[in-house]
Amino acid sequence: QKEVEQDPGPLSVPEGAIVSLNCTYSNSAFQYFMWYRQYSRKGPELLMYTYSSGNKEDGRFTAQVDKSSKYISLFIRDSQPSDSATYLCAMTNYGQNFVFGPGTRLSVLP
Amino acid sequence: KAGVTQTPRYLIKTRGQQVTLSCSPISGHRSVSWYQQTPGQGLQFLFEYFSETQRNKGNFPGRFSGRQFSNSRSEMNVSTLELGDSALYLCASSPDRGRDGYTFGSGTRLTVV
Repeated sequence: QKEVEQDPGPLSVPEGAIVSLNCTYSNSAFQYFMWYRQYSRKGPELLMYTYSSGNKEDGRFTAQVDKSSKYISLFIRDSQPSDSATYLCAMTNYGQNFVFGPGTRLSVLP
Repeated sequence: KAGVTQTPRYLIKTRGQQVTLSCSPISGHRSVSWYQQTPGQGLQFLFEYFSETQRNKGNFPGRFSGRQFSNSRSEMNVSTLELGDSALYLCASSPDRGRDGYTFGSGTRLTVV
């Protein structure tokens, strides 16, 4: 079993849809959880950052962490074609290396 | 504020050669991490440097090495290149070992022929 698993995708949705992206993990020591967005030929860009369990909202993006289930999610409301990218979850414990999920490719169709 | 700068952007090398990649972190960031990204394996952690000391190392052979200078700039070196080393190499910096997430550069795309 991989340390971090992510819905493989690819995922295609119409513009305006609500998108749900999910990751599960096995290491209960993880405390910091992040979502990155990566456009083609670019480095990953930090979207959301959460410490421990709970929800965090930033504009159209909401990150949820459920440590008891070892499950994290990213919701995108009112999705736009500019949201088309690969989304990577990442997690770590302070001072340890980050572990990334394999990524989910999202296409938002106009 | 300047982002993370990686040079060169593209590189073509021959099997058996060695290569050095450079990373300039965001000003004030003391932690630099390196990752290898390939379509098959995704993002894999290579190593992390903090205040010129290697703090963590991933599962890569000894051909992969790195260092960090007193100004936090970092280099990674790959010796005796193999075809399988072809990948996007990403550098990321953080003020404090990723506590607030890492900021990535655009990467160096290395092709080994």
